[in-house]
Amino acid sequence: QKEVEQDPGPLSVPEGAIVSLNCTYSNSAFQYFMWYRQYSRKGPELLMYTYSSGNKEDGRFTAQVDKSSKYISLFIRDSQPSDSATYLCAMSAMGGSWGKFQFGAGTQVVVTP
Amino acid sequence: EAGVTQFPSHSVIEKGQTVTLRCDPISGHDNLYWYRRVMGKEIKFLLHFVKESKQDESGMPNNRFLAERTGGTYSTLKVQPAELEDSGVYFCASSQDRLGANEQFFGPGTRLTVL
Repeated sequence: QKEVEQDPGPLSVPEGAIVSLNCTYSNSAFQYFMWYRQYSRKGPELLMYTYSSGNKEDGRFTAQVDKSSKYISLFIRDSQPSDSATYLCAMSAMGGSWGKFQFGAGTQVVVTP
Repeated sequence: EAGVTQFPSHSVIEKGQTVTLRCDPISGHDNLYWYRRVMGKEIKFLLHFVKESKQDESGMPNNRFLAERTGGTYSTLKVQPAELEDSGVYFCASSQDRLGANEQFFGPGTRLTVL
């Protein structure tokens, strides 16, 4: 079983809709949760970074962490065609493995005009 | 401010040859990471430098891979000899310090093809 599970999609939504993405994980040591956006043939770009449980909002993006369920989500409001990309969740623990990211496989999102 | 840069962007080599990938982190970033994505799989951690020291190299697949970060600035990742299964995209990332370790900024990657 993978430490981080993420549905690869593709997830197709019409422009203006809410995009809902999620990851589940098995390692209870994860404390830091990141969302990256990756356009084709580019490197991952950091979107959101949260520590422990709770919600965080930044513009059109909202990240949620539910540590009791080992489940994290990213919501994109008022989606635009420019949001079409692969979205990656990443997680890390404290202690000796600090900075070592465990990635999900990524979800491909297509926003249609 | 310049981001993380990687060179080359693409490399095609034959099995048994040697390839060296280079990463230049964001200026002033103490932490440098190497990751790899092989076809159809998730991005996987290879190793982590803090300045010139290896903090964690638990993800290095075998002793054909050698990473260095002389002087704590740029880093190189050498694969010698390359095997078919080494094909993939190699990403480098950097972050400022331990407090900011989870705000990693990624380079565009080096796409390695071993024939």
